[in-house]
Amino acid sequence: ETGVTQSPTHLIKTRGQQVTLRCSSQSGHNTVSWYQQALGQGPQFIFQYYREEENGRGNFPPRFSGLQFPNYSSELNVNALELDDSALYLCASSPRRDNTYEQYFGPGTRLTVT
Amino acid sequence: LAKTTQPISMDSYEGQEVNITCSHNNIATNDYITWYQQFPSQGPRFIIQGYKTKVTNEVASLFIPADRKSSTLSLPRVSLSDTAVYYCLVEDSGYALNFGKGTSLLVTP
Repeated sequence: ETGVTQSPTHLIKTRGQQVTLRCSSQSGHNTVSWYQQALGQGPQFIFQYYREEENGRGNFPPRFSGLQFPNYSSELNVNALELDDSALYLCASSPRRDNTYEQYFGPGTRLTVT
Repeated sequence: LAKTTQPISMDSYEGQEVNITCSHNNIATNDYITWYQQFPSQGPRFIIQGYKTKVTNEVASLFIPADRKSSTLSLPRVSLSDTAVYYCLVEDSGYALNFGKGTSLLVTP
């Protein structure tokens, strides 16, 4: 069984640019959530997708957007990058939407904005 | 307002039992208590979850008193590889996991 995978592993972008991060969920999982983790902090919820629709959103501006595809893989898009967007971006998949069920995290994408 | 409070850091020697206590005074009836572990530059990993009393799996035990206002994660006989950040979460069948800053555990020889 393949776990959650994310690409790329690392990425360096310039302020104002746009970035797309990708996530492949674990087989059989129809729910994908994205988190941002700044250095020294716990992960912060960005949004969740369930069966290709946004199911919930955290306190992040609209320039953070996402997609989920029919195979349940997902993308996180960030427009107009700011220096504070530098963080580890984590994707988590689950066979259920609710947060009482175990979520399986990928290794993350380290984004650096200069 | 944070739902959980846990120590920022803890130190232990190899082979000892480590107990990390988490305070959640405002826990609601529908809330579950969940612990995740995170190694540097990796995603968090589910350790254990409970609602009341005691839960044990192959990795850890979770002790929850009757009032459920706190919980204790117990790691038996830690090794160097248990050095990680441990997060206590209180979740309510919503959709987001609410991580705090966690407890950074350092295990030394």
